[in-house]
Amino acid sequence: KAGVTQTPRYLIKTRGQQVTLSCSPISGHRSVSWYQQTPGQGLQFLFEYFSETQRNKGNFPGRFSGRQFSNSRSEMNVSTLELGDSALYLCASSFSGESNQPQHFGDGTRLSIL
Amino acid sequence: AQSVTQLGSHVSVSEGALVLLRCNYSSSVPPYLFWYVQYPNQGLQLLLKYTTGATLVKGINGFEAEFKKSETSFHLTKPSAHMSDAAEYFCAVTPMNTGFQKLVFGTGTRLLVSP
Repeated sequence: KAGVTQTPRYLIKTRGQQVTLSCSPISGHRSVSWYQQTPGQGLQFLFEYFSETQRNKGNFPGRFSGRQFSNSRSEMNVSTLELGDSALYLCASSFSGESNQPQHFGDGTRLSIL
Repeated sequence: AQSVTQLGSHVSVSEGALVLLRCNYSSSVPPYLFWYVQYPNQGLQLLLKYTTGATLVKGINGFEAEFKKSETSFHLTKPSAHMSDAAEYFCAVTPMNTGFQKLVFGTGTRLLVSP
């Protein structure tokens, strides 16, 4: 069974640009969550989607947005990139999104802002 | 609000020695608890989880953790360290029965294993 797939693995952008990251969950999983990992702030929750609806959002500015498609694939978008957005962005999926279910993580997209 | 404290950003052990990684949580409601491991240039892999039932939880690769409600702790142990255990370990919590997932992670502990 294929795991969570994130594309691209690496991305380099400049300040002010926008970027879209993609996540394909494990087949049959309907919940997709996004996390940002940085050396300074650690792992922080961005948002969670279930059946194309955002159920929960972390404490990030409106420049960070996401969506989920009918096939459960998800994208996150960051507009007007800042140097501080450089991070590893991790996507995780679970079957139904119930809080007792483990989340399965992809290998992440490493975003570097120049 | 929930928070997780992992004592020690780095822990060094010799191969064959006991591994003990500490995790304490603060939560206004009973949480579910998880340990994840991250190898370089990879995502997070679930080691084990506590939801309900037995408080001693066994996971993959010989790891186990014990939920102690009175101490608000969920420490991770392994009797004998292997070189392949060298990685970063994250403790995480999420509130029970919320109907959604939102993991709150600790700052991580990097485990160094020497021969």
